[in-house]
Amino acid sequence: DAGVIQSPRHEVTEMGQEVTLRCKPISGHNSLFWYRQTMMRGLELLIYFNNNVPIDDSGMPEDRFSAKMPNASFSTLKIQPSEPRDSAVYFCASSPRLAGGPGTGELFFGEGSRLTVL
Amino acid sequence: GENVEQHPSTLSVQEGDSAVIKCTYSDSASNYFPWYKQELGKRPQLIIDIRSNVGEKKDQRIAVTLNKTAKHFSLHITETQPEDSAVYFCAASRDFNKFYFGSGTKLNVKP
Repeated sequence: DAGVIQSPRHEVTEMGQEVTLRCKPISGHNSLFWYRQTMMRGLELLIYFNNNVPIDDSGMPEDRFSAKMPNASFSTLKIQPSEPRDSAVYFCASSPRLAGGPGTGELFFGEGSRLTVL
Repeated sequence: GENVEQHPSTLSVQEGDSAVIKCTYSDSASNYFPWYKQELGKRPQLIIDIRSNVGEKKDQRIAVTLNKTAKHFSLHITETQPEDSAVYFCAASRDFNKFYFGSGTKLNVKP
């Protein structure tokens, strides 16, 4: 397996533009997470899905952020409109879950999408 | 929610010395504590984890200890090597879904 795949790896955009980040989790993993990493705030959980259903989006900063998981192999994180303070590395991670139970614990991270909003 | 604090923020050691990174957590219901290593420009990767029913776990040069009473856990790296240089993150979770990460420790191993 190629691991968690994220695109784009780098994105530079201007304030006010829409940004869409994409993620393909590892096949068979039931849980998907979006994290944001900055120097100031470290790794912050934005939202996570179990079996394509959003479970907890309390980390989403504001209404400008939205995330979807239309199927088990694809998720998007959208920022509209983008602002300079959104500049960060956005990581997608997936995790397998035990049948009928909690996750196994290990998060498999993608390479990240480095977003710069000018 | 959970609050995980990690110290020190930076740590510089000589090759061959030991390194210790400490984390404290606030939620007594947390029961799973992983450690991730992130090399410069790379993704975080799990290096070791411990569950609350265990006090210590070891994997070659890496060990993790957990004190549930005091709500703190530590990462120990012995015989450090230059390739151990990276940022290390601790995390805590009560349900294996929502992980709260520490702020990270930048470890520099000087050859």
